[in-house]
Amino acid sequence: NAGVMQNPRHLVRRRGQEARLRCSPMKGHSHVYWYRQLPEEGLKFMVYLQKENIIDESGMPKERFSAEFPKEGPSILRIQQVVRGDSAAYFCASSLSGADNEQFFGPGTRLTVL
Amino acid sequence: QKEVEQDPGPLSVPEGAIVSLNCTYSNSAFQYFMWYRQYSRKGPELLMYTYSSGNKEDGRFTAQVDKSSKYISLFIRDSQPSDSATYLCAMRQTGANNLFFGTGTRLTVIP
Repeated sequence: NAGVMQNPRHLVRRRGQEARLRCSPMKGHSHVYWYRQLPEEGLKFMVYLQKENIIDESGMPKERFSAEFPKEGPSILRIQQVVRGDSAAYFCASSLSGADNEQFFGPGTRLTVL
Repeated sequence: QKEVEQDPGPLSVPEGAIVSLNCTYSNSAFQYFMWYRQYSRKGPELLMYTYSSGNKEDGRFTAQVDKSSKYISLFIRDSQPSDSATYLCAMRQTGANNLFFGTGTRLTVIP
């Protein structure tokens, strides 16, 4: 009965490189959410996806960030040309269905940009 | 003004004490209220999930929501060293996808 899985757990990138973060939702869940947690700040919503669809990306920075949740495989959060300010913990959550359902979080990916 | 305000602490209590954690919020449309526990370097773990006003109890944990004051609380009875963690409040509107989080309160229970 695996929970939400995220990998890698730690990721180090140099400025200008690309970062790819993966999230596999809980079994039976088809709704995925990405949040970012900056040091000393609360989690901030980034994007909400269902299989093959981006439903709400109101929290995503307009440039360099993208997300997908393909029909097969994990959801991926992609950050192009990373900058030091992208250093944060990125958490994925999943829910059984959409709004008004409980969200269960993964262990997070800690991104460090050198 | 932040949507959700939470005192970051830190808060230290002796084992066995009653702990009170609180959040205030500004958006009267919030209807769903949650408390998550986050251990160091781990993901948030859902503790309590409540809808609208009232109380909910689960073991040593009690969640209270006062919508008229825009104020929510989490009480921990008979606190244990294993309760030492950061506690995050979160909330959202009906039909909304995203949660709004407080910054978290770091709690240490001293044996």
